[in-house]
Amino acid sequence: NAGVTQTPKFRVLKTGQSMTLLCAQDMNHEYMYWYRQDPGMGLRLIHYSVGEGTTAKGEVPDGYNVSRLKKQNFLLGLESAAPSQTSVYFCASSYWLGAGPYEQYFGPGTRLTVT
Amino acid sequence: DQQVKQNSPSLSVQEGRISILNCDYTNSMFDYFLWYKKYPAEGPTFLISISSIKDKNEDGRFTVFLNKSAKHLSLHIVPSQPGDSAVYFCAATTFGSSNTGKLIFGQGTTLQVKP
Repeated sequence: NAGVTQTPKFRVLKTGQSMTLLCAQDMNHEYMYWYRQDPGMGLRLIHYSVGEGTTAKGEVPDGYNVSRLKKQNFLLGLESAAPSQTSVYFCASSYWLGAGPYEQYFGPGTRLTVT
Repeated sequence: DQQVKQNSPSLSVQEGRISILNCDYTNSMFDYFLWYKKYPAEGPTFLISISSIKDKNEDGRFTVFLNKSAKHLSLHIVPSQPGDSAVYFCAATTFGSSNTGKLIFGQGTTLQVKP
């Protein structure tokens, strides 16, 4: 099992460019999440999905879009990158256990710099 | 408004001694708490969790204590080892049938264990 994988690992964008970050999981998890990590801020939820074909906004969704066309993949898009989106992006997934989702499994992260 | 706070950005302890990492929360609806550990250039990995129906949970060298009245939890590592040097994140959620699994993270505490 590869677990949660993220593509690419690093990327440098110019302001106004667009890109898509890909997250894939092979654990058959229902739930998937996108976070960003900034110094002194911890991890903040951008968007999440509770199943194939569903998406919802998290704490900091502005400037990002997501899609979950297949259960195993969760895509994060930046339509017009801004320097404020320079961050490390983590994808996570989790399964349902009893009364709710259990702990989340994280990917290795994508370091994005917007100049 | 930071609902989960880790007020100590860093902690340094000697190998073999106890490490105590603290976390405070403000939302009384939180009923499930998790600790994640993160090494540089890697994604966070789940360490230990506790439900609000308990006040202690132990797993090997790691113990989490929950004080609901004070809205405070702590992670004890005994004995501390150099390999424990990492960033530790506290996270909280509401565990129930309508739970989407969204986690609210603290800012993180960097633990350094000196040989």
